[in-house]
Amino acid sequence: ETGVTQTPRHLVMGMTNKKSLKCEQHLGHNAMYWYKQSAKKPLELMFVYNFKEQTENNSVPSRFSPECPNSSHLFLHLHTLQPEDSALYLCASSQEAVASGSDEQFFGPGTRLTVL
Amino acid sequence: GQNIDQPTEMTATEGAIVQINCTYQTSGFNGLFWYQQHAGEAPTFLSYNVLDGLEEKGRFSSFLSRSKGYSYLLLKELQMKDSASYLCAVPYNTDKLIFGTGTRLQVFP
Repeated sequence: ETGVTQTPRHLVMGMTNKKSLKCEQHLGHNAMYWYKQSAKKPLELMFVYNFKEQTENNSVPSRFSPECPNSSHLFLHLHTLQPEDSALYLCASSQEAVASGSDEQFFGPGTRLTVL
Repeated sequence: GQNIDQPTEMTATEGAIVQINCTYQTSGFNGLFWYQQHAGEAPTFLSYNVLDGLEEKGRFSSFLSRSKGYSYLLLKELQMKDSASYLCAVPYNTDKLIFGTGTRLQVFP
């Protein structure tokens, strides 16, 4: 595997379910990110981890819970979601969490989440 | 605060040239990124500008004017595979990227 991988690619869940999204990067990067992409809206940053430490929680509701056990893996635990949480959830990584400079972010293919 | 504006949609013909504009307002400036995102796929990095002027990379070029808060992405010799969304993004607070809504480009034969 190369780059940034995400599983599952598609997920349908009820509002009372608990599920987890997984992201893995094979690039040796130290920073990982969760983004939410809804139709006709900009990519919204949710969480940032730098060297396994959470450095940003962009006012995300507590029904989304991130976990970063090591620099290569990132999880997003979901519980009691709402239908408006249906979106594409993208994981990204970069060498470090320094968005200045040419430190581009590499994105995974995303998980298409539908909440019924 | 941070604000980024891009046109929502553009159309162009195969072989033509298209310019996608982006205006931004940020407190502090740490460069500007352009990403390409095909439908149903992840965004991929295209360019990064931190100095004024035009940077060319094959068929794609990106321009920046810091004094005007303005950038554009220039696509030459358009191909059908260039049909995608083009996202303008600026960093802030050292570890975040703010994205525009993206410009959806459709290339017709």
